[in-house]
Amino acid sequence: DVKVTQSSRYLVKRTGEKVFLECVQDMDHENMFWYRQDPGLGLRLIYFSYDVKMKEKGDIPEGYSVSREKKERFSLILESASTNQTSMYLCASGSGGNTDTQYFGPGTRLTVL
Amino acid sequence: EDKVVQSPLSLVVHEGDTVTLNCSYEVTNFRSLLWYKQEKKAPTFLFMLTSSGIEKKSGRLSSILDKKELFSILNITATQTGDSAVYLCAVEAKSAGGTSYGKLTFGQGTILTVHP
Repeated sequence: DVKVTQSSRYLVKRTGEKVFLECVQDMDHENMFWYRQDPGLGLRLIYFSYDVKMKEKGDIPEGYSVSREKKERFSLILESASTNQTSMYLCASGSGGNTDTQYFGPGTRLTVL
Repeated sequence: EDKVVQSPLSLVVHEGDTVTLNCSYEVTNFRSLLWYKQEKKAPTFLFMLTSSGIEKKSGRLSSILDKKELFSILNITATQTGDSAVYLCAVEAKSAGGTSYGKLTFGQGTILTVHP
């Protein structure tokens, strides 16, 4: 059974703080993804990674960076949190190939005050 | 830019009703369309569709893809209160090189509420 875990379910930070969101998967998946989910906007891709140390920008990368030092771990970094980054953040992983689907973590609800 | 539009955005029905959720898309180099169900937690995978006209079925849920008209529908028959959730549609595109890293573009979601 695929398991994707995220470091926190709820997080409250102040404007300007540096924020780390961590995601770990246990299925040896090559691909990992970070999304944010906002009402009426669905899930929007921030960044993804298809291999260790490899990353690509998604649709809304501004204000975010990522790190993938190990295959199982993909971190999302908010260098200087702002109130418009208050959102639900979802991590996902997938194996690639013709039958790929993505498995999601439980999400981190981040509030920036 | 790839685009996915779901309709309706919200739907309220009573137990036993049948519902149809719609998903239309515009994508370059289409590879697959996926449906997810999201309750108050992580989205869970329902279906992946790659070929037109072939219905995928799981219990009371079924889905079909029309690649000519660029849409998919998700049907739920004999709805139950446990079907209340957000239903997400997403499309996957191949990159220019023909590979895919599983990058998905999601629609806004349809909020389904089933009353007893």
